[in-house]
Amino acid sequence: EAQVTQNPRYLITVTGKKLTVTCSQNMNHEYMSWYRQDPGLGLRQIYYSMNVEVTDKGDVPEGYKVSRKEKRNFPLILESPSPNQTSLYFCASGSLGRSNEQFFGPGTRLTVL
Amino acid sequence: AQRVTQPEKLLSVFKGAPVELKCNYSYSGSPELFWYVQYSRQRLQLLLRHISRESIKGFTADLNKGETSFHLKKPFAQEEDSAMYYCALDQGGKLIFGQGTELSVKP
Repeated sequence: EAQVTQNPRYLITVTGKKLTVTCSQNMNHEYMSWYRQDPGLGLRQIYYSMNVEVTDKGDVPEGYKVSRKEKRNFPLILESPSPNQTSLYFCASGSLGRSNEQFFGPGTRLTVL
Repeated sequence: AQRVTQPEKLLSVFKGAPVELKCNYSYSGSPELFWYVQYSRQRLQLLLRHISRESIKGFTADLNKGETSFHLKKPFAQEEDSAMYYCALDQGGKLIFGQGTELSVKP
């Protein structure tokens, strides 16, 4: 089944404790992206990647890192999480080219205490 | 700068009433626009894209380049349409999302 998976789905952590949220897709998509969703602010892009070893900042990259060593994986790293990073995170993937659908993961709800 | 604006955070209608979710965009090129929907506790999924000129679940959206709008419409809302709706603009493979509109359809 074609899908985007994220792990973990729920995470409660404390300020400063490094964490990684994994994202994997099995559709051979070039494009992958991370968003955070906050009430009243909609979806905001954190980082995106057009292909392996090619990543770029989105609208709210501060406090986050990503890597794209393999086409299927695009982990999101929070080196030193802070409470303002408490949010719902979505990973997405898609084929490059105009008007192509993006496929979203199920979301990861992160709480930083 | 490229931007997508959804002016309504919440839209509440009664079942059977027409619904229109507004979306305005700013883009210097030829826009590719989408509507994504997020039902409660589910992931975002594509509802429709303007290039397909399709009707999905009774929803349609017409691109109006003069008004730079891509409003989502349905003539008779159903309770199962209650969800979060996002308008999105394709910027060379990267999607720019609006702030989202929560649609609530009451019985």
